[in-house]
Amino acid sequence: GQQLNQSPQSMFIQEGEDVSMNCTSSSIFNTWLWYKQDPGEGPVLLIALYKAGELTSNGRLTAQFGITRKDSFLNISASIPSDVGIYFCAGLYSGGGADGLTFGKGTHLIIQP
Amino acid sequence: DAGVIQSPRHEVTEMGQEVTLRCKPISGHDYLFWYRQTMMRGLELLIYFNNNVPIDDSGMPEDRFSAKMPNASFSTLKIQPSEPRDSAVYFCASSLRSNYGYTFGSGTRLTVV
Repeated sequence: GQQLNQSPQSMFIQEGEDVSMNCTSSSIFNTWLWYKQDPGEGPVLLIALYKAGELTSNGRLTAQFGITRKDSFLNISASIPSDVGIYFCAGLYSGGGADGLTFGKGTHLIIQP
Repeated sequence: DAGVIQSPRHEVTEMGQEVTLRCKPISGHDYLFWYRQTMMRGLELLIYFNNNVPIDDSGMPEDRFSAKMPNASFSTLKIQPSEPRDSAVYFCASSLRSNYGYTFGSGTRLTVV
C-alpha cells in the first residue's frame, strides 16, 4: 500500500519559534491534507491542498502541495502554547472514488514556555 | 451541526466478548470511514462506505471484525470475539465528497483485558 514518511517525529521548541514539518510519499497523491490531534480527541482538519504547487495559508499555518505530487510541507509561524499536539499529513489518490486517506505517523509538537 | 458522534467514548471488555462501536455521521455526508489508531501503527483505514454501501474493507484485520451501515445516519463496527491486541482508539469519520477533508469523531478507546 501507499506509504507516507512524516518528519520530524517530534519537535521541542520555544514559544515564538517557527515550525516546519514535511511528508514524502512513494506514490503520487492528488489531495494532501494536514490535521492536528489534541489528546483524547479526533484529528481536526487544518489545511487541504488540491493542486500540485498550491500554497495555502490558514492564519499562522502555511502548507504547500509539492510539484511532484509526492510531498507536502506545513509551516507554523510564531508558535504559541495551544499549538501543542500531534500533526498528521494525509494523502489521497482518488481514481474515480475515495480510496481512503493514508496518514503519516505524525509529528509531536512540544512547546517550552 | 453536532459533528460526527461516536459511542461509547471508552469501552473496557474481557477477551472473548463481543464489542460494538457506534457512529453517527454528519447529515448529508455520503462517505463514512472507520479508522484504528495505535502507537505502533498510527492511523489505519479499516473500511469505508459510500451511500451506505461498503466499498473497501481490505483494511479489516480479520474475520472477527465486521461493519455495517443500515442507513445514512448510523454505522457499527463489531469485533467478535475481542482479543487484547484489538485494544486501540477507533475513529469514525465522514466526508461530503471523495476528495474532501474528513471530519472525525472523538473516537472510542477500546481496552480488551
